[in-house]
Order: sequence, then C-alpha cells, then structure tokens
Amino acid sequence: EADIYQTPRYLVIGTGKKITLECSQTMGHDKMYWYQQDPGMELHLIHYSYGVNSTEKGDLSSESTVSRIRTEHFPLTLESARPSHTSQYLCASKGTSKYGELFFGEGSRLTVL
Amino acid sequence: RKEVEQDPGPFNVPEGATVAFNCTYSNSASQSFFWYRQDCRKEPKLLMSVYSSGNEDGRFTAQLNRASQYISLLIRDSKLSDSATYLCVVNPTNSGGSNYKLTFGKGTLLTVNP
Repeated sequence: EADIYQTPRYLVIGTGKKITLECSQTMGHDKMYWYQQDPGMELHLIHYSYGVNSTEKGDLSSESTVSRIRTEHFPLTLESARPSHTSQYLCASKGTSKYGELFFGEGSRLTVL
Repeated sequence: RKEVEQDPGPFNVPEGATVAFNCTYSNSASQSFFWYRQDCRKEPKLLMSVYSSGNEDGRFTAQLNRASQYISLLIRDSKLSDSATYLCVVNPTNSGGSNYKLTFGKGTLLTVNP
C-alpha cells in the first residue's frame, strides 16, 4: 500500500471560496506531483516539485498554486474557487530510481457550485 | 506527434479473450516505461514496468521495441476484474538526463463482458 494521503476526499464549495487540498507522503520521496483529471478524461500535470522549496508549473495551465516547505507535504491552493475548477485532483510522489513507481493518493474530488 | 499515443479504444471483449494494447512514444531518449491501471473514479496504480527484454507477470505480458518506439501490453484469458482503463506511461529525459516527469497516454478503456 502506498503511504500517500490526500484530504479532503470530497469537497463541495461555493464560488469565490479559498480552498487548500492537502497531500502528504511518508516515503521520503523528493519528487511530488499534482494532476487534474475530469471524469473519463486523461490526466493533466498541473504542478510538480523535485524537493523542498522547489516547485514548477506542469503541462496544463492552472490557477492553483503549490508550496513545498517540507519534504512530506505538498499542498495545493485555489485562492478563489470557480465552477471551472470542478475536477478530481490527484497527488503523486516518486522515488529517485528511473524505474521508481509513481504512487498516487486516492484523490480529492472538488465540486464548485 | 503527441509524446505518448495509445489505441483510442474502447475495447469490449468476452471473458477469456486475449487483448493487446499498443502505445507509441515520440522521444527516442526515453528511459523507462510503465503500464498503469485505473479503475473508474479511482487513482492509477502501477500494473507493470516494461523492461527492454520484455517481461511477463501471470496473464500479463509487456514488450518494448526501442527501434520502433513502441510498447505493448498483452492480457491473456481476460477476467471481468480486468475491466479498467490502461495507461501507457513513459519517462522521458531532458537534456540534463533528469527524469522528473512521467508522461501519461490518454488511456484505453477495457470492458470484459461475461
């Protein structure tokens, strides 16, 4: 079982609210990622980090921001949620080996009304 | 050309059938390759890594053809529980040889029918 956890699993919130999706892993992995996925659609990388104090934007532009103050923690924040942000957000982490498996959390399903 | 392209699917097969998924990648310097499985509304999970010599795990066989930049996944004697989306994943390299980002294909949906 992967030791990577996301909270909340489900969130329904009104437009304009600030939200933070939490992601924590206990495997000591340096590399962490946030993906966005709509139902039945492909995964899109929106943010990644290869260590503390390093973050990069992914392939899909996103209004969200991330931080990496501790190795184990990689939260994602939306300052002002909109209905277009409704989606599933998946956090993942990876070890250093090139064959290292990417471990995913169970996801945070966000609905913005 | 997309970085990773998979059979568009969906595949609908009867129980016991053999089904093959194909995937091509554009970056010839890609280092490592994987097949992930994603059940409906769940997170992706590693099914198999794909090694140069090809590898087998029970009913599943993965093969890599570097010359053609192509990987495949074969499922024999398919079960109802094999119904899922199968994702081809490639670890490309940048000029520095870093392997920070994995590239996912769009996935191929498999439904195994009784």
